[in-house]
This record gives sequence, C-alpha cells and structure tokens, in this order.
Amino acid sequence: AQTVTQSQPEMSVQEAETVTLSCTYDTSESDYYLFWYKQPPSRQMILVIRQEAYKQQNATENRFSVNFQKAAKSFSLKISDSQLGDAAMYFCAWCRNTGTASKLTFGTGTRLQVTL
Amino acid sequence: DSGVTQTPKHLITATGQRVTLRCSPRSGDLSVYWYQQSLDQGLQFLIQYYNGEERAKGNILERFSAQQFPDLHSELNLSSLELGDSALYFCASSPRSLVETQYFGPGTRLLVL
Repeated sequence: AQTVTQSQPEMSVQEAETVTLSCTYDTSESDYYLFWYKQPPSRQMILVIRQEAYKQQNATENRFSVNFQKAAKSFSLKISDSQLGDAAMYFCAWCRNTGTASKLTFGTGTRLQVTL
Repeated sequence: DSGVTQTPKHLITATGQRVTLRCSPRSGDLSVYWYQQSLDQGLQFLIQYYNGEERAKGNILERFSAQQFPDLHSELNLSSLELGDSALYFCASSPRSLVETQYFGPGTRLLVL
C-alpha cells in the first residue's frame, strides 16, 4: 500500500523567513501526482501546490515551491517570506494516475507556526 | 471559497442514529470524493463517484453508503453511528475522473454522543 510520511509534527518559522516542510512517500508506481494542501484553523482544505511525477521541473506557486526528488521519493515544500497567514496544518498527499480514479493518500500533517 | 458546498456544517447526534451529509460539487465538476478526518485515523479517502457511478472505494465502513444523483450532488449516509464516527467529513470535487486537482468543501463536523 502507498504511504505518505511527514516526519515533522510541528515546525516554527519567523515572519519573512524561509521554512521547508518534509514529505516522503512509498510507492512502486511510476505515474503519480503529489500535492500539498493547507488547512488553516477554519479547517478548510486549500490546495497549495501540485507536482506531476513525470515532470522533472519543480513546481512553484508564488512564495511556495517544491523540491521533488523522484528517486529518493521525497517531496518537500519550501515557503519563502513566511507570513502570519501561512500558519496552518500542511498535508502532503499522493495520488496514483490510474486514468479512472484519483483518490488522495494523505500524510499525518505538519503544524506550522509563524512568529513575529 | 472553493465552490463546493456541504450541509450541514455541524451535526450532533446520538449513538445508533443515522445521518445524511450532503455535498454539491463545483459547477461543471463530475467527480465527487468523500474523505473522513479524525484525530486517530487522520485524513482518509472513503469513496469516489463520477457522473453517478461509483469509481473507487477506500476505507468505508459497511454502515456507510453514498450516492451521486443526476444533478451531480452527492449524499453520504452514516448509520448505526458509534462514538468513533465523530469526525470532520469532507467532500471534494474535480472536473473528471482523472487525476486533477480536488477542491474541498468546508466539511461537516459530526459529533456522536
């Protein structure tokens, strides 16, 4: 079974600094997608960034970027210029590209605190 | 606002009861997914429907069932409720059945007393 591991239950970063959240996954599949979702105190699940496994180029979305290492099965999220609004739970998720169904497998999450 | 709506926002009920959670996907989306988020199990996929048909099943208990209606809204039915069913239930939608970004609703918080 596919598993997603987030080894950092909690992280803290100062405002305007950079922080990296770790995620590793275990799969024998070669065609899949990876996601980072943010869950603020409102409990809404918000997509942060998405990476297709077949793409070598790392995805970026404004202040958010990933370091995707396919051979190492690693998918870390870098948040630059951290803002107070970035404080949330961050979930890494994996999805197999079956062509028919696309269920997400989530990690256990990393709680990010942003301090002044 | 993701465009996915879920009702009710909160639900408090007793053990042994049955409840129905409702989800309306984003306009134009054909796929609906249900997820359960609990303290001990984390975020788990329950079931997926695409254009009215079941497409994938996850760790969904036999006491739980779902369906997607012709207007594409979906309902998740939970019966013979137990204390351990207390959780946040999310619905998500995507345009098709292939791997695309899933947009999540605000969730329904279920408390079983």
